[in-house]
Amino acid sequence: GAVVSQHPSWVICKSGTSVKIECRSLDFQATTMFWYRQFPKQSLMLMATSNEGSKATYEQGVEKDKFLINHASLTLSTLTVTSAHPEDSSFYICSARRGAQETQYFGPGTRLLVL
Amino acid sequence: SQQGEEDPQALSIQEGENATMNCSYKTSINNLQWYRQNSGRGLVHLILIRSNEREKHSGRLRVTLDTSKKSSSLLITASRAADTASYFCATDDAGNMLTFGGGTRLMVKP
Repeated sequence: GAVVSQHPSWVICKSGTSVKIECRSLDFQATTMFWYRQFPKQSLMLMATSNEGSKATYEQGVEKDKFLINHASLTLSTLTVTSAHPEDSSFYICSARRGAQETQYFGPGTRLLVL
Repeated sequence: SQQGEEDPQALSIQEGENATMNCSYKTSINNLQWYRQNSGRGLVHLILIRSNEREKHSGRLRVTLDTSKKSSSLLITASRAADTASYFCATDDAGNMLTFGGGTRLMVKP
């Protein structure tokens, strides 16, 4: 199979703190990983695309200095929400794919609540 | 921004009935995929249909694609309570980026 994990599955933090979310491809090497955000009862919105070893490409309206993405290896990408605020509370989902034209496999998501 | 719309936004049926969900999109696509999401969980890939295909089956799932109308439908036959979830279509353009529709929340009553 193609399994993608995320850690943590949920996190509660105080406003102003930074939170790091990990996304791992467990049984395959992912050249590309994607980060999505999903608000309650809404669809997934792509935040950024990261290719191993290069800078992430952010979608319009997503602040790259606020959502730091690192894809340091073929099995790990991290999303750091810096100086989190209550409006950053959301469900963050990552996906990974082996290469171009390949299926994206999704992680189980991380629920972030900023108080 | 979202590629398109899903219709209906919510659907409630009895177990054993068929459920049909529709997805419309706006731009040319390489393929279209359907995903399922249980409440508060990640996405499960259901089926992929390529732009040169018109219909595809997988178990109780039947997907159609009409590129002239830029629309797709997902049919779940003989629904079960366990099918209760949100269903999303996602279009894959030539750049291999997925753009998700708004989703259909399906409730199957036992």
